[in-house]
Amino acid sequence: SQQGEEDPQALSIQEGENATMNCSYKTSINNLQWYRQNSGRGLVHLILIRSNEREKHSGRLRVTLDTSKKSSSLLITASRAADTASYFCATSSNYQLIWGAGTKLIIKP
Amino acid sequence: GAVVSQHPSWVICKSGTSVKIECRSLDFQATTMFWYRQFPKQSLMLMATSNEGSKATYEQGVEKDKFLINHASLTLSTLTVTSAHPEDSSFYICSARTSGNPFVPYEQYFGPGTRLTVT
Repeated sequence: SQQGEEDPQALSIQEGENATMNCSYKTSINNLQWYRQNSGRGLVHLILIRSNEREKHSGRLRVTLDTSKKSSSLLITASRAADTASYFCATSSNYQLIWGAGTKLIIKP
Repeated sequence: GAVVSQHPSWVICKSGTSVKIECRSLDFQATTMFWYRQFPKQSLMLMATSNEGSKATYEQGVEKDKFLINHASLTLSTLTVTSAHPEDSSFYICSARTSGNPFVPYEQYFGPGTRLTVT
């Protein structure tokens, strides 16, 4: 399977600041999902955005999707220490699963 | 949203024993399930693709006789690590894909993972 790319690989910001992570992919997709994974724990589904959607909100999360650029961004507003985790994007088309290597986000108190 | 569960959440076993991990789709039917392995600080590595009622398709380098996959129903797939050794210690994650519908794109959801430690 092709692997998506996420940037940055790691990000460290102060609590209260906004964090933005990006995900790029190579093939056409049906939808794109963002997951969070705390160290040593399982994946937690954050948000799914379909290919015909451009923006989606969930609490402090805002996801955008630009299918023309084959990219998505995850914005976490007013970050908290508890947001410290790795964030993965996963895209699915009919026959392939594509996911990124993840962005490690560290929120400094 | 759709929920995928795994059981157990974590397991510690002795070298040479076999361990079975279950993956269930709780509120949807999944004709296709995937099994992944995650090494520390790395992304998910696809091990195999499992279609209900047929043999699993393994990725290159994954031993099919060591990692037995059974997908006997539309809501359950199992991964059995046979004759486990310490190097099999890892985080195993499954995902389930919604059944095919010509008018609705597939959606895929991940389980919470199972941490296997082989002593």
